[in-house]
Amino acid sequence: GENVEQHPSTLSVQEGDSAVIKCTYSDSASNYFPWYKQELGKRPQLIIDIRSNVGEKKDQRIAVTLNKTAKHFSLHITETQPEDSAVYFCAAGDYKLSFGAGTTVTVRA
Amino acid sequence: GAGVSQSPRYKVAKRGQDVALRCDPISGHVSLFWYQQALGQGPEFLTYFQNEAQLDKSGLPSDRFFAERPEGSVSTLKIQRTQQEDSAVYLCASSPPWGDEQYFGPGTRLTVL
Repeated sequence: GENVEQHPSTLSVQEGDSAVIKCTYSDSASNYFPWYKQELGKRPQLIIDIRSNVGEKKDQRIAVTLNKTAKHFSLHITETQPEDSAVYFCAAGDYKLSFGAGTTVTVRA
Repeated sequence: GAGVSQSPRYKVAKRGQDVALRCDPISGHVSLFWYQQALGQGPEFLTYFQNEAQLDKSGLPSDRFFAERPEGSVSTLKIQRTQQEDSAVYLCASSPPWGDEQYFGPGTRLTVL
């Protein structure tokens, strides 16, 4: 089955700086790569996704990149704000998603 | 519109009791998923429905876990003879027919004493 590894497990950044989270996956058949933001006690919220036929996607301050050859993908958040503080999960798969263990992001004001 | 809803939001069960967790997907979403999220971990896939058909149940941990979606809308996850290791948040997600995006419900936090 699919195995997704996510790094780092915690990330502390100064407000206004960038944050980068990296994930690797094992199954070359995976073709869909979403990112979720989860605040404490809340539901995972889809923030951006990318499909295997695209190398990069951007939505305002958030961007994702995908390298299918190397089987890794990354989330980039620019101009971080305190409300970006949360746990972020990457996932990979097709209809069935395998999730990374999460990155706790803290944005210091 | 309304998102995915789940009930109850919290459930405390004594070991050995049976529990039933409900999921109401977004209207019109044909795909429905159940995930289990342990504390401090990412969600783990349990099972997948397309309409009323259960197409993948490979993630169900044991035969004590059973899921159904008889009319292709509401789904129920049932856990028989609950054990302490079943304690987790159970998340439901649904997908529209035109895309891969999975939208999650708020989850049911199950605590087995």
